[in-house]
Amino acid sequence: GAVVSQHPSWVICKSGTSVKIECRSLDFQATTMFWYRQFPKQSLMLMATSNEGSKATYEQGVEKDKFLINHASLTLSTLTVTSAHPEDSSFYICRGTGGYEQYFGPGTRLTVT
Amino acid sequence: AQKITQTQPGMFVQEKEAVTLDCTYDTSDPSYGLFWYKQPSSGEMIFLIYQGSYDQQNATEGRYSLNFQKARKSANLVISASQLGDSAMYFCAMRESIDFGNEKLTFGTGTRLTIIP
Repeated sequence: GAVVSQHPSWVICKSGTSVKIECRSLDFQATTMFWYRQFPKQSLMLMATSNEGSKATYEQGVEKDKFLINHASLTLSTLTVTSAHPEDSSFYICRGTGGYEQYFGPGTRLTVT
Repeated sequence: AQKITQTQPGMFVQEKEAVTLDCTYDTSDPSYGLFWYKQPSSGEMIFLIYQGSYDQQNATEGRYSLNFQKARKSANLVISASQLGDSAMYFCAMRESIDFGNEKLTFGTGTRLTIIP
């Protein structure tokens, strides 16, 4: 069946560097991609919503210049954490939707040192 | 006000017993959907069961069933004959619109279920 793959599954980066996380939809077209962040022992918090070919819509309190989202095709969406800081360390997970289908990616664990 | 409330931060259940995880929701949208997800320590979100607001019958998927009480705005997950592999975090989530491209999910705070052998 259709899945959403996410890469990398985990990444460690130094403070001040940028990290790109990719979500690819397989066997279905993700017209919308939702990006979530989950801090340890907390729930998933929606960061932004992106529709293919359009600019992302960010939730209140999420810096759009820090978390760059690109959704250029129906099968690929990327989240770039720019100038990462230790407080950006978290679990990032995408969710693709298309028609009646919706699938979560397996998540990316980001650690900023 | 919280849209999704899970009042049980943690539960311990004996193996093979049934367990009910509570979830209440708040919405004024007549069209909505309720989901339950399981999140093991690996972090992946595993879809368990879905209930639409217009569904006449309670959803069931194998050992999982959803006790949907619309008037009370509750959507409790029932796991029958619990297994050690059921130990995980469980999230209730609500989708308030069925419009394509606007299918945001709002999550509850989760319940950590531990099955005791």
